[in-house]
Amino acid sequence: DTAVSQTPKYLVTQMGNDKSIKCEQNLGHDTMYWYKQDSKKFLKIMFSYNNKELIINETVPNRFSPKSPDKAHLNLHINSLELGDSAVYFCASSRRASGYQETQYFGPGTRLLVL
Amino acid sequence: AQSVTQLDSQVPVFEEAPVELRCNYSSSVSVYLFWYVQYPNQGLQLLLKYLSGSTLVKGINGFEAEFNKSQTSFHLRKPSVHISDTAEYFCAVSTNTGNQFYFGTGTSLTVIP
Repeated sequence: DTAVSQTPKYLVTQMGNDKSIKCEQNLGHDTMYWYKQDSKKFLKIMFSYNNKELIINETVPNRFSPKSPDKAHLNLHINSLELGDSAVYFCASSRRASGYQETQYFGPGTRLLVL
Repeated sequence: AQSVTQLDSQVPVFEEAPVELRCNYSSSVSVYLFWYVQYPNQGLQLLLKYLSGSTLVKGINGFEAEFNKSQTSFHLRKPSVHISDTAEYFCAVSTNTGNQFYFGTGTSLTVIP
């Protein structure tokens, strides 16, 4: 019973392509997140959605577009992939927005390699 | 604005020795503090968190951390480490005044047999 799942686990693609990463949580949480972890393990938040509404939108190129069809799903679409997009992308969820006391539950990550 | 600093990027320690991973934060408002662990090729999971009350917080796998408001620190400790504790450890801070959640840059703990 995976709490937060991501697909695909690995993604290898060519520069310029468009790709999507899917995330689903079965915890009944209101808030979901996308993080990018670079090769030095630095973890940076990209987006956060609360009940399908965007609440955090960090300085991320507009080639990245999150979409939340319902509060259990948060997908990440990336247009015109660049070499610098290579990273591990983590989805996470919390009961409500993290400006409070909430623990975040992370998915296993999607390892994106752009060639 | 809030920030988190983990001064030690890598900490090697022998098996069964004690370890302390340091975390300092800066904030002008009250904070909530977290330690997360990332085992190789996995997502992060919560070790422990400080919300209020007792400044000594106990977490999973024998870890504990102490909130020190005067020194703005939240150091993570374990009295005797195991090989299985080899992982990346992240300190994080949030507040009740916004929706931000800040991670430190992580400390890589390597337990040597």
